Amino acid sequence: AQSVTQLDSHVSVSEGTPVLLRCNYSSSYSPSLFWYVQHPNKGLQLLLKYTSAATLVKGINGFEAEFKKSETSFHLTKPSAHMSDAAEYFCVVSDRIQGAQKLVFGQGTRLTINP
Amino acid sequence: EAGVVQSPRYKIIEKKQPVAFWCNPISGHNTLYWYRQNLGQGPELLIRYENEEAVDDSQLPKDRFSAERLKGVDSTLKIQPAELGDSAVYLCASSLPGSGSFSEQFFGPGTRLTVL
Repeated sequence: AQSVTQLDSHVSVSEGTPVLLRCNYSSSYSPSLFWYVQHPNKGLQLLLKYTSAATLVKGINGFEAEFKKSETSFHLTKPSAHMSDAAEYFCVVSDRIQGAQKLVFGQGTRLTINP
Repeated sequence: EAGVVQSPRYKIIEKKQPVAFWCNPISGHNTLYWYRQNLGQGPELLIRYENEEAVDDSQLPKDRFSAERLKGVDSTLKIQPAELGDSAVYLCASSLPGSGSFSEQFFGPGTRLTVL
C-alpha cells in the first residue's frame, strides 16, 4: 500500500523567509503525489499535484514541489513566506483501489509564520 | 459556483446518542466521499459513492455508522450510537468521474463532532 510520512509536525518561519515542508513517500510503483492546505474552519484545498510529468511542480500561491525518485521525497517549498500561508499542510499519495483513486494523507505539518 | 456544503458545522452530543451529518456536493460531481479527520491527523476515507452506489465502504465501521446517497446527489452520514472515540471532524468531498486520470477532490469545511 502507498503511504506518506511528513517529517515535521510543526514548522515555524519568519515572514519573508523560505519555507520547506518535508515529505517522503512509499510506493511500489510510480505514484501520484499532492499537497493540500487546510486553513482554519475552511475546506482542504489542492496546492499542487505530481502525476508523472515534470518533476518540478508549480502550484498556487507561489508554492512548488520537486519529485525526487532517488530520495522518495516530495518536499514543498516557497521562496518567501507570507502571513496568509499559516495553515496545516498535508502531503498526499494516490492509491488505486477498485479502479478508482484513493487519497492517502500524511499526518500533516502545521506552518506558523512569525511577523 | 458554490462549493461542497456541509451541515451542521459543529455538533456536541452525549455518548450513546445518534447524530447525522449532511453533505451537498458540487453540482455535476458524481463521486462523493466521506472522510474522518482525528485531531492532529490527516483525513481517512470512510466511504466513496459513485452516483447512488457505495463502491468503497471498507473503512466504514458498519456496526454503528451508516451512510446513504439517495438520488445520487446529497448524502447523509449517521452514527448510532455515538462513542467518545467518534469525536473528530467529518469531511465530505466530491469530484467528477476520473477512473483513468486524476480528478481533483473538492472538500467541504467539515462537521466538528464532540462526544461527551
